[in-house]
Amino acid sequence: DAGVIQSPRHEVTEMGQEVTLRCKPISGHDYLFWYRQTMMRGLELLIYFNNNVPIDDSGMPEDRFSAKMPNASFSTLKIQPSEPRDSAVYFCASSPRPGLGTEAFFGQGTRLTVV
Amino acid sequence: GESVGLHLPTLSVQEGDNSIINCAYSNSASDYFIWYKQESGKGPQFIIDIRSNMDKRQGQRVTVLLNKTVKHLSLQIAATQPGDSAVYFCAEKTGGSGYALNFGKGTSLLVTP
Repeated sequence: DAGVIQSPRHEVTEMGQEVTLRCKPISGHDYLFWYRQTMMRGLELLIYFNNNVPIDDSGMPEDRFSAKMPNASFSTLKIQPSEPRDSAVYFCASSPRPGLGTEAFFGQGTRLTVV
Repeated sequence: GESVGLHLPTLSVQEGDNSIINCAYSNSASDYFIWYKQESGKGPQFIIDIRSNMDKRQGQRVTVLLNKTVKHLSLQIAATQPGDSAVYFCAEKTGGSGYALNFGKGTSLLVTP
């Protein structure tokens, strides 16, 4: 398996534009997580899904952020409209179902810069 | 160690020495802990985990110690190598039946020749 795949690796966009980040989890993993990493706040959980259903979105900063998981092999994180303070590295991670361990396997991340 | 503001705590060790990275966690109900290693430009990578019914677990060159009384976790790396230079995060599983991980701010390990 190629691991968790995220795209794009880098994104530079202008303030006010819509940004869509994409993630393909590891096949067979029932849990998918979106994290944001900044120097100031470290790794923050934004939202996670179990079997494509959002379970906890309390970490989503505001209504400008939305996440979907239309099927077991694909998820998106959308920011509309984007703001400079959204600049960060966004990680997607997936994890197998309980009983097989709960460690999360991370993708390489998307570095987002909003100018 | 936990970070304050913009600067991660940094541990500098000489190649071949042992390293100890510390982490204080906040939730006494946490039942599962993981250490991750993050190299520059990459996502966090699993190193070792431990459940709350254990106080020690060993892997290859790494040992994790858990002290639930003081809510403290440590990662020991034996014979530290240049390839061990990275930021190390501890994470705790929180949320009852949920499976989200809460990460600490990280410690930067620098291995010098």
